[in-house]
Amino acid sequence: DQQVKQNSPSLSVQEGRISILNCDYTNSMFDYFLWYKKYPAEGPTFLISISSIKDKNEDGRFTVFLNKSAKHLSLHIVPSQPGDSAVYFCAARNAGNMLTFGGGTRLMVKP
Amino acid sequence: DTGVSQDPRHKITKRGQNVTFRCDPISEHNRLYWYRQTLGQGPEFLTYFQNEAQLEKSRLLSDRFSAERPKGSFSTLEIQRTEQGDSAMYLCASSPGTTSKKRNTGELFFGEGSRLTVL
Repeated sequence: DQQVKQNSPSLSVQEGRISILNCDYTNSMFDYFLWYKKYPAEGPTFLISISSIKDKNEDGRFTVFLNKSAKHLSLHIVPSQPGDSAVYFCAARNAGNMLTFGGGTRLMVKP
Repeated sequence: DTGVSQDPRHKITKRGQNVTFRCDPISEHNRLYWYRQTLGQGPEFLTYFQNEAQLEKSRLLSDRFSAERPKGSFSTLEIQRTEQGDSAMYLCASSPGTTSKKRNTGELFFGEGSRLTVL
């Protein structure tokens, strides 16, 4: 039972354009949603989060949008840079403070 | 830098051997988590400690796996009689508890992981 899904295993965008990474979830009890970035041979690093009571959170080039009725969230990166190339994981937190992760989307930003 | 540290970073072992991984969390964090990640998948929750108490264990954690956090500081994850299916990256993470003065955004701070290869 996958409670958090990232349906696109990979995404390729041109430098300077917008990257949009998507995530769907099934459990309406999740209270926080997070995005993590992972480079090979490293642990995931936190990028941005959003509370379930909000619909948007912005931090520099990164914006996360939450649509609770659709149980969908997305991460927008504008403008995309080659250094953004990595695997991005969507995660959702339950009341026990545990994170459930999606399967990841590999983003490739071409110069 | 006093981030989460894990040891060893890489471990190659033969099937049937026991292995142990160590995790040192960020010092003021009282919550500690173990996750496992296999190729092409997201991290999967294994177990969680608040201080020295193990509060939650996943069904993924078979009886060959045991985790401890004896003094509420560092933690160990032991895998007995390893199988080839245990090959994965084992990730440790920590977070401040609810008593932390910082706003809890749900963020877990991950270490760089311990990669296990079982031959």
